[in-house]
Amino acid sequence: QSALTQPRSVSGSPGQSVTISCTGTSSDVGGYNYVSWYQQHPGKAPKLMIYDVSKRPSGVPDRFSGSKSGNTASLTISGLQAEDEADYYCCSYAGSYTLGFGGGTKLTVL
Amino acid sequence: EVQLVESGGGLVQPGRSLRLSCAASGFTFDDYAMHWVRQAPGKGLEWVSGISWNSGSIGYADSVKGRFTISRDNAKNSLYLQMNSLRAEDTALYYCAKGGSSTNFDYWGQGTLVTVSS
Repeated sequence: QSALTQPRSVSGSPGQSVTISCTGTSSDVGGYNYVSWYQQHPGKAPKLMIYDVSKRPSGVPDRFSGSKSGNTASLTISGLQAEDEADYYCCSYAGSYTLGFGGGTKLTVL
Repeated sequence: EVQLVESGGGLVQPGRSLRLSCAASGFTFDDYAMHWVRQAPGKGLEWVSGISWNSGSIGYADSVKGRFTISRDNAKNSLYLQMNSLRAEDTALYYCAKGGSSTNFDYWGQGTLVTVSS
């Protein structure tokens, strides 16, 4: 079980778009359409933002979108807002009832 | 309203045991998988263990396999994590998380802190 690879940090100005990548292998990200993304503000529990690669839970703004190509999944946030500043984690099913998270990406809104 | 309330954390010496509990409410507990996810101080999220609705499928992270045991009591709407042979690297905030429609975590508790230190 290896951690998925995410950039440590990304940044963007209000109104811009940013994309966070999540790279795994054919045994996790590439092998299943079970990638999810979580937003975590300091001192708070994580919040589900995207599941099954590109599905959005009720209540999550459509500024958040997900996609996947091969062994890499991506989270795109368009129309950046100050409240989007947080840590973001990807997670993938890895077979045999196991899952794995990425190392996390700190998003800074400039 | 879905609520997940963890308990059982605390300070424990290396090599000792601890049992975490998660009390669930606001949803049909025995319809969903449940998971434990931990976060060491200042670090990222780490999936620890998951259990299917009927306990028929169980998985563990390599880092805890053989030391931790997950279980659930659907009659009591409760999830448990028995942690044995604790190590300093197990120090973390342990979250209970509800499995979503597929392999994701759609609701999280506020966590219970486990500190392993002599």
